[in-house]
Amino acid sequence: QEQLVDSGGGVVQPGRSLRLSCAASGFTFRNHGMHWVRQAPGKGLEWVAVIWNDGSDKYYADSVKGRFTISRDDSKSTLFLQMNSLRAEDTAVYYCARAVRGKNGKGDVLDIWGQGTMVTVSS
Amino acid sequence: DIQMTQSPSSLSASVGDRVTITCRASQSINNYLNWYQQKPGKAPRLLIYTASNLQSGVPSRFSGSGSGTDFTLIISSLQPEDFATYYCQESNNLSFTFGPGTEVEIK
Repeated sequence: QEQLVDSGGGVVQPGRSLRLSCAASGFTFRNHGMHWVRQAPGKGLEWVAVIWNDGSDKYYADSVKGRFTISRDDSKSTLFLQMNSLRAEDTAVYYCARAVRGKNGKGDVLDIWGQGTMVTVSS
Repeated sequence: DIQMTQSPSSLSASVGDRVTITCRASQSINNYLNWYQQKPGKAPRLLIYTASNLQSGVPSRFSGSGSGTDFTLIISSLQPEDFATYYCQESNNLSFTFGPGTEVEIK
């Protein structure tokens, strides 16, 4: 069945880096834009980043711009989030999500989500 | 930047009650408004897309309406499994802003 599996989370010191992965299966990965969404402990959902289906464009939340990079490897049906210069406020569960129905982001609907991976930034 | 608000922030209702949650955008988002349900410790689940379209597999007691800046999610007859937090999200702008959520508690 169509599925996303998030991985790569862990405990990391402030200022260090971490790379998250999201493995897709059961659908044609290259046909879909992909998003990252995060949720700090006890808080609401915060959108993080999007990459177009062909990888030609990427957008980021202001809170992560210049520190995080979204990328994809269609040959491996995998989405990535490279997180650099991590801060305590980046502590959250990170979810990847598949986009449908939209056109270059506009109208995107997040219909399948990964199970989430926890990132804790602490010294 | 676009701002999304939801009301109420939480509510308590009985099984069988009709529940209404509203979402407001700080500027027009056309009908690019989606609703998600999230249960504790779980990933969000898509309920309604582009304001009023029911996602496949979602019970028909859920419905959505609205356009422009004001949107509504209705649960026509609340069930015990509907205990969850509900989020709206706009996808008209490349900021994909979520609302702060509405926590629904079963009385």
